[in-house]
Amino acid sequence: AQTVTQSQPEMSVQEAETVTLSCTYDTSENNYYLFWYKQPPSRQMILVIRQEAYKQQNATENRFSVNFQKAAKSFSLKISDSQLGDTAMYFCAFPRAGYALNFGKGTSLLVTP
Amino acid sequence: EAGVAQSPRYKIIEKRQSVAFWCNPISGHATLYWYQQILGQGPKLLIQFQNNGVVDDSQLPKDRFSAERLKGVDSTLKIQPAKLEDSAVYLCASSSPLSHNEQFFGPGTRLTVL
Repeated sequence: AQTVTQSQPEMSVQEAETVTLSCTYDTSENNYYLFWYKQPPSRQMILVIRQEAYKQQNATENRFSVNFQKAAKSFSLKISDSQLGDTAMYFCAFPRAGYALNFGKGTSLLVTP
Repeated sequence: EAGVAQSPRYKIIEKRQSVAFWCNPISGHATLYWYQQILGQGPKLLIQFQNNGVVDDSQLPKDRFSAERLKGVDSTLKIQPAKLEDSAVYLCASSSPLSHNEQFFGPGTRLTVL
Protein backbone atom coordinates (compact mmCIF):
# COMPACT_ATOMS: atom_id res chain seq x y z
CA ALA A 1 0.00 0.00 0.00
CA GLN A 2 1.17 3.52 -0.79
CA THR A 3 1.09 5.60 2.36
CA VAL A 4 1.88 9.26 3.02
CA THR A 5 2.92 10.48 6.46
CA GLN A 6 3.00 14.06 7.68
CA SER A 7 4.32 14.09 11.23
CA GLN A 8 3.71 17.77 12.03
CA PRO A 9 0.01 18.46 12.72
CA GLU A 10 0.62 22.16 13.37
CA MET A 11 3.38 24.64 12.72
CA SER A 12 3.83 28.35 13.20
CA VAL A 13 6.21 30.81 11.56
CA GLN A 14 6.67 34.56 11.61
CA GLU A 15 6.32 36.65 8.50
CA ALA A 16 9.48 36.76 6.33
CA GLU A 17 10.91 33.67 8.03
CA THR A 18 11.47 30.24 6.50
CA VAL A 19 9.61 27.08 7.45
CA THR A 20 9.94 23.46 6.38
CA LEU A 21 7.09 20.96 6.34
CA SER A 22 7.94 17.26 6.39
CA CYS A 23 6.51 14.36 4.44
CA THR A 24 7.52 10.74 4.06
CA TYR A 25 5.94 8.15 1.82
CA ASP A 26 6.10 4.50 1.05
CA THR A 27 6.10 2.99 -2.43
CA SER A 28 7.68 0.24 -4.44
CA GLU A 29 7.44 2.18 -7.68
CA ASN A 30 10.42 3.87 -9.34
CA ASN A 31 8.83 6.57 -11.48
CA TYR A 32 6.16 8.76 -9.95
CA TYR A 33 5.10 12.30 -9.09
CA LEU A 34 4.83 13.87 -5.67
CA PHE A 35 2.68 16.86 -4.86
CA TRP A 36 2.17 19.51 -2.21
CA TYR A 37 -1.32 20.99 -2.09
CA LYS A 38 -2.46 24.04 -0.10
CA GLN A 39 -5.96 24.41 1.37
CA PRO A 40 -6.55 27.92 2.79
CA PRO A 41 -9.33 28.36 5.37
CA SER A 42 -12.71 28.03 3.65
CA ARG A 43 -11.09 28.05 0.25
CA GLN A 44 -10.38 25.40 -2.29
CA MET A 45 -7.36 23.19 -2.61
CA ILE A 46 -4.66 24.33 -5.02
CA LEU A 47 -1.40 22.80 -6.19
CA VAL A 48 1.71 24.35 -4.68
CA ILE A 49 4.47 22.32 -6.26
CA ARG A 50 5.11 19.04 -8.08
CA GLN A 51 8.21 16.83 -8.18
CA GLU A 52 8.95 14.11 -10.71
CA ALA A 53 10.82 11.25 -9.08
CA TYR A 54 13.15 10.63 -12.01
CA LYS A 55 14.45 14.20 -11.84
CA GLN A 56 17.34 14.68 -9.44
CA GLN A 57 16.89 18.43 -9.32
CA ASN A 58 14.54 19.66 -6.61
CA ALA A 59 11.48 21.53 -7.87
CA THR A 60 11.14 25.24 -7.16
CA GLU A 61 8.17 27.58 -7.59
CA ASN A 62 8.98 31.12 -6.47
CA ARG A 63 9.16 31.03 -2.65
CA PHE A 64 8.32 27.33 -2.51
CA SER A 65 10.89 24.59 -2.94
CA VAL A 66 11.20 20.92 -2.08
CA ASN A 67 13.90 18.72 -0.68
CA PHE A 68 13.34 15.38 -2.39
CA GLN A 69 15.31 12.45 -1.02
CA LYS A 70 14.26 9.47 -3.13
CA ALA A 71 16.23 6.83 -1.26
CA ALA A 72 14.88 8.03 2.06
CA LYS A 73 11.38 8.47 0.57
CA SER A 74 11.26 11.97 1.98
CA PHE A 75 9.62 14.99 0.34
CA SER A 76 9.72 18.18 2.44
CA LEU A 77 8.37 21.58 1.47
CA LYS A 78 10.30 24.77 2.25
CA ILE A 79 8.51 28.10 2.27
CA SER A 80 10.84 31.09 2.20
CA ASP A 81 9.90 34.65 3.10
CA SER A 82 6.61 33.45 4.62
CA GLN A 83 3.60 35.67 4.05
CA LEU A 84 0.29 35.94 5.92
CA GLY A 85 -1.44 34.48 2.88
CA ASP A 86 0.54 31.27 3.31
CA THR A 87 -1.62 30.42 6.32
CA ALA A 88 -3.36 27.18 5.31
CA MET A 89 -3.44 23.42 5.59
CA TYR A 90 -0.69 21.82 3.53
CA PHE A 91 -1.09 18.30 2.21
CA CYS A 92 1.55 16.04 0.77
CA ALA A 93 0.11 13.70 -1.86
CA PHE A 94 1.20 10.63 -3.78
CA PRO A 95 -0.64 9.22 -6.80
CA ARG A 96 -2.43 5.90 -6.73
CA ALA A 97 -2.27 3.62 -9.74
CA GLY A 98 -4.97 5.53 -11.62
CA TYR A 99 -3.57 9.01 -10.80
CA ALA A 100 -5.99 9.67 -7.95
CA LEU A 101 -4.13 10.93 -4.90
CA ASN A 102 -3.34 9.50 -1.50
CA PHE A 103 -3.07 12.46 0.87
CA GLY A 104 -1.31 12.80 4.19
CA LYS A 105 -3.22 14.07 7.22
CA GLY A 106 -1.94 17.57 6.61
CA THR A 107 0.04 20.24 8.44
CA SER A 108 -1.74 23.35 9.63
CA LEU A 109 0.58 26.30 9.06
CA LEU A 110 -0.01 29.62 10.79
CA VAL A 111 1.98 32.64 9.66
CA THR A 112 2.05 35.37 12.32
CA PRO A 113 2.88 39.05 11.94
CA GLU B 1 -11.07 29.14 -17.92
CA ALA B 2 -13.87 28.24 -15.53
CA GLY B 3 -12.90 26.04 -12.59
CA VAL B 4 -14.56 22.98 -11.14
CA ALA B 5 -18.09 23.80 -10.03
CA GLN B 6 -19.89 22.07 -7.17
CA SER B 7 -23.30 22.45 -5.63
CA PRO B 8 -24.66 22.82 -3.10
CA ARG B 9 -21.93 24.42 -1.01
CA TYR B 10 -23.57 23.39 2.27
CA LYS B 11 -26.13 20.77 3.20
CA ILE B 12 -27.63 19.76 6.54
CA ILE B 13 -29.71 16.59 6.76
CA GLU B 14 -30.86 14.15 9.39
CA LYS B 15 -29.53 10.62 9.55
CA ARG B 16 -31.24 8.12 7.28
CA GLN B 17 -32.13 10.86 4.80
CA SER B 18 -30.77 10.97 1.25
CA VAL B 19 -28.56 13.64 -0.29
CA ALA B 20 -26.99 14.30 -3.69
CA PHE B 21 -24.05 16.41 -4.74
CA TRP B 22 -23.30 17.72 -8.20
CA CYS B 23 -19.99 18.44 -9.90
CA ASN B 24 -19.12 20.01 -13.24
CA PRO B 25 -15.43 19.56 -14.10
CA ILE B 26 -13.20 21.84 -16.13
CA SER B 27 -14.15 21.66 -19.79
CA GLY B 28 -12.24 18.95 -21.59
CA HIS B 29 -11.04 17.14 -18.48
CA ALA B 30 -11.74 13.46 -19.00
CA THR B 31 -10.89 12.37 -15.47
CA LEU B 32 -13.13 13.24 -12.53
CA TYR B 33 -12.60 12.37 -8.87
CA TRP B 34 -14.77 12.48 -5.76
CA TYR B 35 -12.96 12.74 -2.43
CA GLN B 36 -14.30 12.70 1.14
CA GLN B 37 -12.51 14.96 3.62
CA ILE B 38 -13.43 14.37 7.24
CA LEU B 39 -12.54 17.20 9.62
CA GLY B 40 -8.86 17.10 10.55
CA GLN B 41 -7.91 14.60 7.87
CA GLY B 42 -6.65 14.60 4.32
CA PRO B 43 -9.03 13.88 1.47
CA LYS B 44 -9.76 10.23 0.73
CA LEU B 45 -10.69 9.03 -2.75
CA LEU B 46 -14.23 7.73 -3.10
CA ILE B 47 -14.43 7.20 -6.85
CA GLN B 48 -12.57 8.07 -10.03
CA PHE B 49 -14.11 8.31 -13.50
CA GLN B 50 -12.39 8.30 -16.87
CA ASN B 51 -14.99 9.79 -19.22
CA ASN B 52 -18.14 7.89 -18.15
CA GLY B 53 -16.35 4.76 -16.93
CA VAL B 54 -15.29 3.95 -13.37
CA VAL B 55 -11.54 3.59 -12.88
CA ASP B 56 -11.37 3.15 -9.12
CA ASP B 57 -14.22 2.79 -6.62
CA SER B 58 -12.44 0.51 -4.19
CA GLN B 59 -12.99 2.90 -1.25
CA LEU B 60 -16.60 3.77 -2.03
CA PRO B 61 -19.07 2.39 0.58
CA LYS B 62 -21.31 0.90 -2.06
CA ASP B 63 -24.08 -0.05 0.36
CA ARG B 64 -24.97 3.62 0.74
CA PHE B 65 -22.91 5.66 -1.75
CA SER B 66 -23.39 5.80 -5.49
CA ALA B 67 -22.02 8.00 -8.24
CA GLU B 68 -22.56 8.45 -11.92
CA ARG B 69 -21.16 10.40 -14.83
CA LEU B 70 -23.56 9.41 -17.54
CA LYS B 71 -22.42 11.66 -20.38
CA GLY B 72 -18.78 11.85 -19.37
CA VAL B 73 -19.06 15.47 -18.24
CA ASP B 74 -20.81 16.37 -14.99
CA SER B 75 -21.23 13.91 -12.16
CA THR B 76 -23.55 13.24 -9.23
CA LEU B 77 -22.63 11.62 -5.91
CA LYS B 78 -25.48 10.27 -3.78
CA ILE B 79 -25.69 9.02 -0.22
CA GLN B 80 -28.70 6.94 0.78
CA PRO B 81 -29.26 6.60 3.71
CA ALA B 82 -26.86 9.01 5.39
CA LYS B 83 -25.11 8.20 8.66
CA LEU B 84 -23.63 10.53 11.24
CA GLU B 85 -20.12 9.54 10.16
CA ASP B 86 -20.80 10.81 6.64
CA SER B 87 -20.44 14.37 7.93
CA ALA B 88 -17.54 15.70 5.86
CA VAL B 89 -16.57 17.93 2.97
CA TYR B 90 -17.05 16.25 -0.40
CA LEU B 91 -14.52 17.46 -2.92
CA CYS B 92 -14.71 17.05 -6.65
CA ALA B 93 -11.60 17.33 -8.79
CA SER B 94 -10.76 16.93 -12.45
CA SER B 95 -7.58 16.43 -14.43
CA SER B 96 -6.18 16.08 -17.92
CA PRO B 97 -3.03 14.38 -19.21
CA LEU B 98 -2.17 17.69 -20.88
CA SER B 99 -1.55 19.18 -17.41
CA HIS B 100 0.56 16.25 -16.19
CA ASN B 101 -2.49 15.03 -14.33
CA GLU B 102 -2.50 17.96 -11.93
CA GLN B 103 -5.83 17.82 -10.17
CA PHE B 104 -8.00 20.93 -10.02
CA PHE B 105 -10.38 20.99 -7.09
CA GLY B 106 -13.81 22.49 -6.64
CA PRO B 107 -14.86 24.42 -3.52
CA GLY B 108 -16.44 21.34 -1.97
CA THR B 109 -19.81 20.56 -0.40
CA ARG B 110 -19.88 20.58 3.38
CA LEU B 111 -22.34 17.95 4.61
CA THR B 112 -23.60 17.86 8.19
CA VAL B 113 -25.63 14.81 9.25
CA LEU B 114 -27.62 15.32 12.46
